[in-house]
Amino acid sequence: DIQMTQSPSSVSASVGDRVTITCRASQAISTWLAWYQQKPGKAPTLLIYAASNLQSGVPSRFSGSGSETDFTLTISSLQPEDFATYYCQQANSFPVTFGGGTRVESK
Amino acid sequence: EVDLLESGGGLVQPGGSLRLSCAASGFTFSTDGMSWVRQAPGKGLEWVSAITSSGTSTFYIDSVKGRFTISRENSKNTLYLQMNSLRAEDTAIYYCTKVGRGGNMRFESWGQGILVTVSS
Repeated sequence: DIQMTQSPSSVSASVGDRVTITCRASQAISTWLAWYQQKPGKAPTLLIYAASNLQSGVPSRFSGSGSETDFTLTISSLQPEDFATYYCQQANSFPVTFGGGTRVESK
Repeated sequence: EVDLLESGGGLVQPGGSLRLSCAASGFTFSTDGMSWVRQAPGKGLEWVSAITSSGTSTFYIDSVKGRFTISRENSKNTLYLQMNSLRAEDTAIYYCTKVGRGGNMRFESWGQGILVTVSS
């Protein structure tokens, strides 16, 4: 199985900050990577797919990059509604696997 | 607008069975792959199972193989997850998801989730 490792596990930030979350795959996955946002008590929502493609309706302050084993999710200017937990997910092979999550909290 | 509504969850004893259903609307159900993803209380996301649009191919995480069966009824726009021999570690919120097209296993729409609790 492909292991997905996210870092950091949590980050404290302020509105307007640039936030970067990294995700590392245990083997090369090309660009078969997605990012999700989950708020407490809610279902996750898709932000980014194929490593860098913005899902329809997602604000442009979110961006993704990377390939093979190293990936990044960037929030260019953190907004109040962005405080949440973020997960990466590899779509290269079954079983599909998720990273452990990164909680973005208010400083 | 895509809408996925799960039902069938609840409390069940270890070794028991449950069948989850997911009623889909707002898209052409018969043309899209579907999947179940779960989340144990206070934990991260775990993919459970997937099924192709026609239902001819299914996929499972090892921990549920032989116990869970995913299926779909395209005429009723409904996805199912039959869960047998349930264990305490199956306790989780189960999300029905619509898989994006293009050979990229991304979960582009999610239901609100249904809680399954396995406990005596």
